[in-house]
Amino acid sequence: SQTIHQWPATLVQPVGSPLSLECTVEGTSNPNLYWYRQAAGRGLQLLFYSVGIGQISSEVPQNLSASRPQDRQFILSSKKLLLSDSGFYLCAWSVDRGLYEQYFGPGTRLTVT
Amino acid sequence: QKEVEQNSGPLSVPEGAIASLNCTYSDRGSQSFFWYRQYSGKSPELIMFIYSNGDKEDGRFTAQLNKASQYVSLLIRDSQPSDSATYLCALGEGGGADGLTFGKGTHLIIQP
Repeated sequence: SQTIHQWPATLVQPVGSPLSLECTVEGTSNPNLYWYRQAAGRGLQLLFYSVGIGQISSEVPQNLSASRPQDRQFILSSKKLLLSDSGFYLCAWSVDRGLYEQYFGPGTRLTVT
Repeated sequence: QKEVEQNSGPLSVPEGAIASLNCTYSDRGSQSFFWYRQYSGKSPELIMFIYSNGDKEDGRFTAQLNKASQYVSLLIRDSQPSDSATYLCALGEGGGADGLTFGKGTHLIIQP
């Protein structure tokens, strides 16, 4: 069965500091990978998705970036965090089962102070 | 821009009754529809998906889709206190790996 991991689970960072969140998937090959953010009072917002190593699509212009160095690894980064970057960051995966339904990891709760 | 609308609630339903959650969407090109359950402080969990007009049943859950009216609903029969959560409606264009568009969710409370 497939498993998705995210770390860290919680993070408190000062404004202007860098960020690196990691997501890994086990039990499947060539997954599509996604980063979403859920801010207080807002719905899930798609940030990036990737259909393969080195292939990144950005949905929202911002000070965040994503990379996919390995087939089952997806990294979300920032060089300088803003207060508005606070939120619940969720990684998800999908494979071609006809509908590409997505399954979420446990998430990282980020607070920028 | 795709929009997904849900009543934020809270929707309060007595235990054992049917909970009805509704979702409307703006993009007629949407092909696939998903319902996720999210407990407070946790990540969303996929509970149902549907892509054809009509009803789809899975245990106590029934998803209903009406593409002409751009309307998706989720019915929960024999509601239990453990069903208390926020329910997120999401849509995708189908046939591809693009991300999903989510509504803000409906907060459901099952009263014992």
